[in-house]
Amino acid sequence: NAGVTQTPKFQVLKTGQSMTLQCAQDMNHEYMSWYRQDPGMGLRLIHYSVGAGITDQGEVPNGYNVSRSTTEDFPLRLLSAAPSQTSVYFCASSLGQGSTEAFFGQGTRLTVV
Amino acid sequence: QKEVEQDPGPLSVPEGAIVSLNCTYSNSAFQYFMWYRQYSRKGPELLMYTYSSGNKEDGRFTAQVDKSSKYISLFIRDSQPSDSATYLCAIGGRGAQKLVFGQGTRLTINP
Repeated sequence: NAGVTQTPKFQVLKTGQSMTLQCAQDMNHEYMSWYRQDPGMGLRLIHYSVGAGITDQGEVPNGYNVSRSTTEDFPLRLLSAAPSQTSVYFCASSLGQGSTEAFFGQGTRLTVV
Repeated sequence: QKEVEQDPGPLSVPEGAIVSLNCTYSNSAFQYFMWYRQYSRKGPELLMYTYSSGNKEDGRFTAQVDKSSKYISLFIRDSQPSDSATYLCAIGGRGAQKLVFGQGTRLTINP
């Protein structure tokens, strides 16, 4: 099992560009989430999904879109990148309702210039 | 005010010392309290979790939750250089899909 795989690992964008951060898990987990990690802020929840076709907003959803068409994949779209979106992005998955553990990917380091 | 407050440190202690890491939280609705460990340039990994109040021990690590004071603690005994990492406390409900994290404490254990 690869676990949670995020691509790319690094990305530099210009202000106004759009891009998609990819996240895939091979553990047949029902729940998936996106977090951003900024210095002094910890991890903050952007969007999450409790199954294919079901998504909801977290604490900091503005400027990001998600969709979940399959159990395995949960891409995060930046619609028009802004310097404030410079951050490290982590995707996580958990088994489902009875789970107490989230498994994280290795992260995507995004810089918006 | 953040839902979970954690002193970001950094904290530096000699090898073999007892380390105490702490968080406070404000939302009483959460029942699961977790500690994640994050090595540099890696994703967080679950270290321990506790359900409701009480203590939980796993080897050199002990997690404590006091719901009456909304206080979460992690103790590391006989600390090792390999324990050097950022420790993040988190609270959540069943499912672990909506975790609320503290800021993280960067810990260094000096040989």
